[in-house]
Amino acid sequence: IVMTQSPATLSVSPGESATLSCRASQSIDINLAWYQQKPGQAPRLLMYGASTRATGIPARFSGSGSGTEFTLTISSLQSEDFAVYYCQQYNNWPPLFTFGPGTKVDIK
Amino acid sequence: QVQLQESGPGLVKPSETLSLTCTVSGYFISSGYSWGWIRQPPGKGLEWIGSIYHTGDPYYSPSLESRVTISMDTSKNQFSLHLSSVTAADTAVYYCARDNVVGPTTWGQGILVTVSS
Repeated sequence: IVMTQSPATLSVSPGESATLSCRASQSIDINLAWYQQKPGQAPRLLMYGASTRATGIPARFSGSGSGTEFTLTISSLQSEDFAVYYCQQYNNWPPLFTFGPGTKVDIK
Repeated sequence: QVQLQESGPGLVKPSETLSLTCTVSGYFISSGYSWGWIRQPPGKGLEWIGSIYHTGDPYYSPSLESRVTISMDTSKNQFSLHLSSVTAADTAVYYCARDNVVGPTTWGQGILVTVSS
């Protein structure tokens, strides 16, 4: 399964919302996670099951989609939200994780 | 709370084997979860390498399976990565992580490994 993400870079002003897209080359049901990575840091799990926020993730992050098309929306961007976001599919069997190439959200 | 820390050489020669260890604190690796490795070439995206169940059964990315071995030492609460026949393309930050069914959930800080003569 190949994961693609668009756009590669998204320029957004603080306070605005951002919509990131992720596509799978074949249906993955809702077996999709999103990660946030800031420079020099390890990634952090944001979302799993396409729309379930991980522990401690603010409600301004929301996810949607199923099958092959997925979206991560960040409403009212805060300064700490400017980062690279990766989608990742997970397979129950055989166990397999595949990341997308990432979307960089930077300050407009 | 669980913490993970990678260790190992920062420089490996081409054609040799890259070996890294992840030391886990705050949780016994034999108690549950899977324990995995992910890498990130400089300026590029994430690539999952493989994981090992708490039972000791490993599973690998098909693209790296021929060169990868992941093992665990429960007496030291560590798990290890061995990647053979490395080339410059294997230069990356290597992360260890605790996985659940959705993927890596708790990550180490990462270690940069450069492949160069």
